[in-house]
Formats: sequence, C-alpha cells, structure tokens
Amino acid sequence: QKEVEQNSGPLSVPEGAIASLNCTYSDRGSQSFFWYRQYSGKSPELIMSIYSNGDKEDGRFTAQLNKASQYVSLLIRDSQPSDSATYLCAVKRDTGRRALTFGSGTRLQVQP
Amino acid sequence: EPEVTQTPSHQVTQMGQEVILRCVPISNHLYFYWYRQILGQKVEFLVSFYNNEISEKSEIFDDQFSVERPDGSNFTLKIRSTKLEDSAMYFCASSGIRAGGGSYNEQFFGPGTRLTVL
Repeated sequence: QKEVEQNSGPLSVPEGAIASLNCTYSDRGSQSFFWYRQYSGKSPELIMSIYSNGDKEDGRFTAQLNKASQYVSLLIRDSQPSDSATYLCAVKRDTGRRALTFGSGTRLQVQP
Repeated sequence: EPEVTQTPSHQVTQMGQEVILRCVPISNHLYFYWYRQILGQKVEFLVSFYNNEISEKSEIFDDQFSVERPDGSNFTLKIRSTKLEDSAMYFCASSGIRAGGGSYNEQFFGPGTRLTVL
C-alpha cells in the first residue's frame, strides 16, 4: 500500500513563529512532491512543488525534500492567522503516471 | 490568473439517479483529472484524461463512472447510478504547459462540487 503519512495536528503556533509541517511517504518510486493548503470547505490550493533533494524557497515558504529518508517538509516563516488551514502533502510517481496520492493533512492553527 | 471552474457547486440527487458534474479546465492545459474527498477523509484520485482518452484510473473509478470532453472547453464526470457512498466533494484539476510557464506536473484544482446522495 503506497501511503503518505502526516500528523493530523492541530499544530498550534503563535503569530510570527515558524511552523514546521512534516510528511513521510512509502513509495520509493515517488519523484514529485507537492504541498497544498486547504481551508475548511474549500479546494486544495497549490503552495509549492519540489522535485530534488534539498530546500526550495518561495516567499515565506520553504519545502525540504530528503528522498533517502522518504521525507518532505514545509516550513512557514512569520506565520500569520491567515495561514490557519489544513496542509496536504501529495506525491506523484512519474514515468507516465499522473495520480497524486494525498496525505490526510495537518491542521495548522496560528494564534494571534 | 487562469483558474479551473466547476458547476454546479452543490448537487443533491436521489440514490440510483444519474449525475453529471462539469468542469472547465485552465485554458491550454493538457491533462485533466477528477478527485473526490469524502467528508473528513483524504483527497482521492479517480481518473486522469489526456488526448481525449483516460490515461489512468483508480480502483474507485468503476463502471459507474465515466468521463468525457464533449467540446474544446468542458470536461465532465458522469455517475450513472448514484449510491449513498458517492456523497463527497468532487474536484476537477488540470495541469500542463500554459502561458507564463508552470510545470506540467503541477495540478490546479477547481472549487469543487458537493454531491449529496439521498
């Protein structure tokens, strides 16, 4: 069974702090990794994609990938109350396959 | 900013009825998808569609489901005989090269259709 695992949370951080969200995956054939944000009752919104080991930064967001450990994370710097949402990790095995496999998400609460 | 649109936003139907969910993917995208999310559960892949045919489908996508691109803009999901367990949010997504760049791997989701089967 190819799984994507996330801590369901809630992860509670104070405004201005760094939020760290983690994800592990079981399929070693996974090549593409994505973080989505989902507000309650809304659709997933793509935040970042990462394909290579290391860090990728985009504004306040940094994605980190370690394929050897099968681990991907998302750091949110200077967290804002508007960042309060569920963060979904999704992985894709390439070589012609298109399906994203999602984790169950981590609920983030940023306290003002 | 181009976006995926879906109609209707909410569909209520009786068990055993047919429903068609509609989507307009991002213009110039090449790959189209349907996902579903049962309340409180994970987002699950149903099917992907490329070059006017299904390229991949999950175990969920059985004979009750079908997809179609009836014209140059719409992409539809049909459920022939709905069951109670089909109640969920259904998301359409698209990916592919578009003006301004963007990896074909990145999938962009529409706002969803909430399907309620009574």
